[in-house]
This record gives sequence, structure tokens and C-alpha cells, in this order.
Amino acid sequence: EAQVTQNPRYLITVTGKKLTVTCSQNMNHEYMSWYRQDPGLGLRQIYYSMNVEVTDKGDVPEGYKVSRKEKRNFPLILESPSPNQTSLYFCASSLTHSGFQFFGPGTRLTVL
Amino acid sequence: GENVEQHPSTLSVQEGDSAVIKCTYSDSASNYFPWYKQELGKRPQLIIDIRSNVGEKKDQRIAVTLNKTAKHFSLHITETQPEDSAVYFCAGDSNYQLIWGAGTKLIIKP
Repeated sequence: EAQVTQNPRYLITVTGKKLTVTCSQNMNHEYMSWYRQDPGLGLRQIYYSMNVEVTDKGDVPEGYKVSRKEKRNFPLILESPSPNQTSLYFCASSLTHSGFQFFGPGTRLTVL
Repeated sequence: GENVEQHPSTLSVQEGDSAVIKCTYSDSASNYFPWYKQELGKRPQLIIDIRSNVGEKKDQRIAVTLNKTAKHFSLHITETQPEDSAVYFCAGDSNYQLIWGAGTKLIIKP
């Protein structure tokens, strides 16, 4: 079954404690991206990756890091989380940037 | 860079009536315009998309129209049903990204 998986699905943490949200896809997609979703603001792209070892900043990259060492995985790293990073995060993948994006189930992050 | 504006932010229609959601974009180089539906607590899912070489596309009760000259595109849902209640997002591609509208909450009144 074609899918994008994210872990964890829910996370409550404290300010400054490093965390990683994993994302994995099994469709051999080249393009992967991370979004955050906040009420009234739609989906805002954090980082995207065109292929292995190729990543670039989206619209709201501050406070986040990513890596793309393998085609299937695209983890999102928060080195020092802050309360303004409390949000719903989605990972997505597609063949290209201008194609059907499969979304993961989402990760709800709360930073206290 | 691209800016995508979506209207209205909330739309309430009677069951059986039609609903229209409109988006405008700024980047004349944009070529791909998808529409996603997000039900409460779930992930966004693609419902229809259109590319710039096409003016209209239909899939059963859903249609999308694109006017490249005016830089706007619209989602049309006919014969609305309760299961159409959701938040709908438009997007446009620009510089290897999808830029998203802020969303429209569609409410179907029984």
C-alpha cells in the first residue's frame, strides 16, 4: 500500500529539548516536503527536498533542520524547540514538485 | 514569489446547492493548480488538479476552471452533500514549491 508515515503522531515536549519527527514514504518519490499547519494560515512549507542530499528552505525554515540521506526518509529536526513551534506538522511526498502530493497523517506537537 | 489568495474563508450552502471557491495567484510562471480537501482531524487529500494548458477539468460533481490571463482558478462543487463539509485548500506551484491558499471552510446545511 502506497503511504507516507510519520512518527510520532503526538508529542508534548519542553522548550529546548531536541526532537526529531520521522517521515518515510514507500513510493520511490523524489520530492518530499514538510509543512506546518496553523489555524487561519493554511499550509506553510518548512523545507523541501528535490532528491537525495538536495534540500532547500521553504517559507518558514527558522528553527528547523532536515536531512535526506536516503530517498525514502526525510526527518524534521527541532534542535531547540520553542512554544511558537507548537503546531500540526505534515510530511508529504510526490514524484515532482508539481504533482500529486501524498500527505502523511500529521504530527501534533506541543512545546511547553 | 508566489502569493495565493483564497476566498471566501467560510462558505455555507444548502444541501443540494452548488459551492464555488475562488483563488488568485501572482506568479505568471505557475503551471500546476491542485485542490485539496481536509476533513476534521485528517490529512489533506487531493480532489482535483489542473495544469495551465487546460481551461477546465471535471470529475463527477467537482470541476476546476483556470483563467491564466486573469490569474485565477476556481473550484465548483455541484449538488453538495453532507460529506462535502470540510476545509478546502487551493495551491499553485512556484520555484519548486507549492504555495497554498489559507483555506475555505465549507459548511453544508441540511
